[in-house]
Amino acid sequence: EAGVAQSPRYKIIEKRQSVAFWCNPISGHATLYWYQQILGQGPKLLIQFQNNGVVDDSQLPKDRFSAERLKGVDSTLKIQPAKLEDSAVYLCASSPGAGAGTGELFFGEGSRLTVL
Amino acid sequence: TQLLEQSPQFLSIQEGENLTVYCNSSSVFSSLQWYRQEPGEGPVLLVTVVTGGEVKKLKRLTFQFGDARKDSSLHITAAQPGDTGLYLCAGALGSTGNQFYFGTGTSLTVIP
Repeated sequence: EAGVAQSPRYKIIEKRQSVAFWCNPISGHATLYWYQQILGQGPKLLIQFQNNGVVDDSQLPKDRFSAERLKGVDSTLKIQPAKLEDSAVYLCASSPGAGAGTGELFFGEGSRLTVL
Repeated sequence: TQLLEQSPQFLSIQEGENLTVYCNSSSVFSSLQWYRQEPGEGPVLLVTVVTGGEVKKLKRLTFQFGDARKDSSLHITAAQPGDTGLYLCAGALGSTGNQFYFGTGTSLTVIP
């Protein structure tokens, strides 16, 4: 079974530029998460989707970050304009959904963003 | 500010030693998970605990969920270099119990 796919793996941009990350979850997984992980720290939940609806986006900086999950499958996370403090790894995870499976989150390898 | 605080933040020990990592919060969780993350990869699930007071053993790893479901611990016996990594606890909140908030992380290095 294919895992969670993310792209690009690495991205370097200058501040005030924009960037987009893409995530393809495990087939059939209803729940999709985007996390921001600063080096050496624990992941911070940015947004959680259940199918194509948003469950939690309370920690998403909505003035510059946006995310969508069209058709309840793939998802994109966009940052515009980027700031130096946005330098981090952006992790996408998926799970079968509430009440289904064991609750395990399956993570992609992440997209590492460097803002200069 | 993260919901779950882990201690210690960094741990460097010799092979064969024992260690304990703590995960604390003031919130009550419906379940709690422990993950291990290696450089350049996403976290991988080690265990899920659901019941207050629950203890689970996975070979040399022992996980405990606090009675009040606010805290947890991970104990490793006879650590090996292969145990090196970032250990993360994650608590589940929300009406569906699948909103996961991660702890601050514990970076473990086991020296051969």
